[in-house]
This record gives sequence, structure tokens and C-alpha cells, in this order.
Amino acid sequence: DGGITQSPKYLFRKEGQNVTLSCEQNLNHDAMYWYRQDPGQGLRLIYYSQIVNDFQKGDIAEGYSVSREKKESFPLTVTSAQKNPTAFYLCASMGSDYGYTFGSGTRLTVV
Amino acid sequence: AQSVTQPDIHITVSEGASLELRCNYSYGATPYLFWYVQSPGQGLQLLLKYFSGDTLVQGIKGFEAEFKRSQSSFNLRKPSVHWSDAAEYFCAVGRNGYNKLIFGAGTRLAVHP
Repeated sequence: DGGITQSPKYLFRKEGQNVTLSCEQNLNHDAMYWYRQDPGQGLRLIYYSQIVNDFQKGDIAEGYSVSREKKESFPLTVTSAQKNPTAFYLCASMGSDYGYTFGSGTRLTVV
Repeated sequence: AQSVTQPDIHITVSEGASLELRCNYSYGATPYLFWYVQSPGQGLQLLLKYFSGDTLVQGIKGFEAEFKRSQSSFNLRKPSVHWSDAAEYFCAVGRNGYNKLIFGAGTRLAVHP
């Protein structure tokens, strides 16, 4: 079955460390998205990509970076510049019906 | 500016009771409308969607939603809630040619036995 795979499910980061969250899709979707979710809050858009080798900043891009070298993959790097990275991160892709398919998320914790 | 409002942050219902979650949107064009559900620690799952046609749409898990253009609303309903429906529900809006969905802040549903 087609879908989005996020890994790892849980990730721990030390202060000053960069970490990369993986997002892979086999849905043949062009557009992909990264969202951050904090307890009791909605979804906040970090970055999105509509096509390979192109991506746009979302509402809270500071301290994050992305790449889109392959259609299937859209990894998110949480850099040391992100001062409060502890959150739940969701990756999504958009189909031809403009609806999103979501991955199961990665919970990042600073230790 | 486009926006989506879910007026209720938390709702508590008894198991077996009916449910209605509200969603209002502000959009300059004919919208595409979605409801998603999120269980704790999980991603979002699509419950149902509306593009055009019949304004009452059926979804998975016994949910339905009605699009009311005059009220700019797309409320989610279920006639009899089960304990497993406890989750967070998100309304989202998109439109043809727009490359992002706009999400509401979510409504957290608790179900009492």
C-alpha cells in the first residue's frame, strides 16, 4: 500500500546537535510538507516542496533546513539554531485531490 | 486572508450520545473541505472530504459532514459516539490550484463511558 514513512518514531537530541528526520513517500506525489505540533496547539508549517529541487519556507522555518533531491524523499534537519526543538513532527504529501496524506510522526526530545 | 475556525477547543460527550464538531472558514473561492482525526502520538487520518455536489458527505467510522455555503460551515457529525472516537479532530480547507491546506486549531474530543 502507498503511504508516507517517517523515521525514527522517537529521536533524542543533545544541546547543540543537528538531527535529521526522514520522510519517504511512495504515492508519487509532487508536493510534500513538514509540520510541527506542540501540545495543545495545531499544526504549524515549517517547510514545503512542490517539486524536486525546490522548497519554500513556511511559517516557522527558522532553525530548520530541508532538501528535496528525490521525489520520494523530503528530509528535515533540526539545527542547533532551533532553540526549542522538542515537539511532534509530521510529514505530509498532497495528492491530486488537494488532500494530504500524513506520516505517523516523529517525536523529538532534547536531552 | 483565508482562515479556518474551530470554535470548540475541547468537547466532552457521553458514549452513545450524538456529536457535532463545528468548522467555519473564510475563503474567497469555492473551497475543498476536509476533516482529519488524530489519535495521541499518531499522524492525521482523513475522515471525509467535500469538493462539490451533494452537500452531505459520508466518511469513515460513521462520520458525516454537511457543507453549508450560506454559513461558511462544514460541521462534522456522528449520531452515536464510541469510546474509540476520543481523539483530536482537525478541519482543513483548500482550493483548486492552491498548494497548501489551511488547518483549524483542532477540537479535542473526550468520551465518557
